Amino acid sequence: AQKVTQAQTEISVVEKEDVTLDCVYETRDTTYYLFWYKQPPSGELVFLIRRNSFDEQNEISGRYSWNFQKSTSSFNFTITASQVVDSAVYFCALSETRATGGGADGLTFGKGTHLIIQP
Amino acid sequence: EAQVTQNPRYLITVTGKKLTVTCSQNMNHEYMSWYRQDPGLGLRQIYYSMNVEVTDKGDVPEGYKVSRKEKRNFPLILESPSPNQTSLYFCASSLLLTSGRSTDTQYFGPGTRLTVL
Repeated sequence: AQKVTQAQTEISVVEKEDVTLDCVYETRDTTYYLFWYKQPPSGELVFLIRRNSFDEQNEISGRYSWNFQKSTSSFNFTITASQVVDSAVYFCALSETRATGGGADGLTFGKGTHLIIQP
Repeated sequence: EAQVTQNPRYLITVTGKKLTVTCSQNMNHEYMSWYRQDPGLGLRQIYYSMNVEVTDKGDVPEGYKVSRKEKRNFPLILESPSPNQTSLYFCASSLLLTSGRSTDTQYFGPGTRLTVL
């Protein structure tokens, strides 16, 4: 069964520090998608990035970067020069492709990492 | 603006009183889904729908019903709510990929915080 582990329950850093959120996944599928979502204190879920299993290129978007390594089944998220507005719960999620049959699996979420950026 | 809307955003009710949480999307997505979020458990899928009149159970379907009579709407029905259904509920929608065997990025509604007394 697919599984997503975010071992860091809570991380607290001082503003402007770099911080990395870890995500390790398990899947038997060869075709799958990985996601990161942000949940700010207001509660909504904001999509950050989607990566498919055939694309191991790292991605950078402003202060955010993602490191996908199939060899270690990890999809880590780094925030450079953190800011107070980055304070949120961050979820890593996995979506597989069903080999047969009808239906499409939903997202399997990790339990989230609560990131606190102190001024 | 492309969006997923949910109503109500907050609801306090009592055990056994039927309720419906509405969900609507304007992106013409085939796939819609309901999740619940509980402390320490993350988000878990309740039900999903591949298209109109096609629904199926997710990981935690007990105590819930859904319907998909129109492509844009996917209401969640609690016919006899109980306190263990107190949770934060999210509706999501996405396109389907790979001949319907996987989903594209799922976009989430703002959430409905439900309290059952």
